[in-house]
Amino acid sequence: GENVEQHPSTLSVQEGDSAVIKCTYSDSASNYFPWYKQELGKGPQLIIDIRSNVGEKKDQRIAVTLNKTAKHFSLHITETQPEDSAVYFCAASRGTALIFGKGTTLSVSS
Amino acid sequence: SAVISQKPSRDICQRGTSLTIQCQVDSQVTMMFWYRQQPGQSLTLIATANQGSEATYESGFVIDKFPISRPNLTFSTLTVSNMSPEDSSIYLCSDGDSPNYGYTFGSGTRLTVV
Repeated sequence: GENVEQHPSTLSVQEGDSAVIKCTYSDSASNYFPWYKQELGKGPQLIIDIRSNVGEKKDQRIAVTLNKTAKHFSLHITETQPEDSAVYFCAASRGTALIFGKGTTLSVSS
Repeated sequence: SAVISQKPSRDICQRGTSLTIQCQVDSQVTMMFWYRQQPGQSLTLIATANQGSEATYESGFVIDKFPISRPNLTFSTLTVSNMSPEDSSIYLCSDGDSPNYGYTFGSGTRLTVV
């Protein structure tokens, strides 16, 4: 079945720096790759997603890139702010369900 | 995107008892999913809740332990049966009809079994 690996598990940056989180997946049939942000005590919130027919997508300070050949995709956050501190999860589709990576705890210090 | 309400938001239960978690979506969706998130861990898919048919369970999850109902296109329940402390987790539901607007999650049910 689908397996999603996510790195790093923790990431600490200074405010204003960029943060990059990387994921790899195993199922070549996966065609949808969302990223979720989860704050303490809350459910995951979708922040950006990308489909297999697109190589890059950007939404303000957040961008996602996808390399289908290599089966990896990455989340890029520029100009990080303290409110970006949270746990970030990547996911890959398996049919209509999502399989999640283990998460990255991002800490942005001011 | 859909708005998903889950209840209860948290509960503390005695071992050996059962808890039913409710998930309400503000629009009709064909598919709903139930996930478990153990403390500090990622989300693990428990099952897919299909309206009009039995739920489809992932490896390691069985219907006797996690019975699921899906009476209509806006509602689903997950029951955690005969609970043990190992069942202490956050349980989350999501919709899954269309990736065109992403999958929305409820805020989760934080279950502690004592």
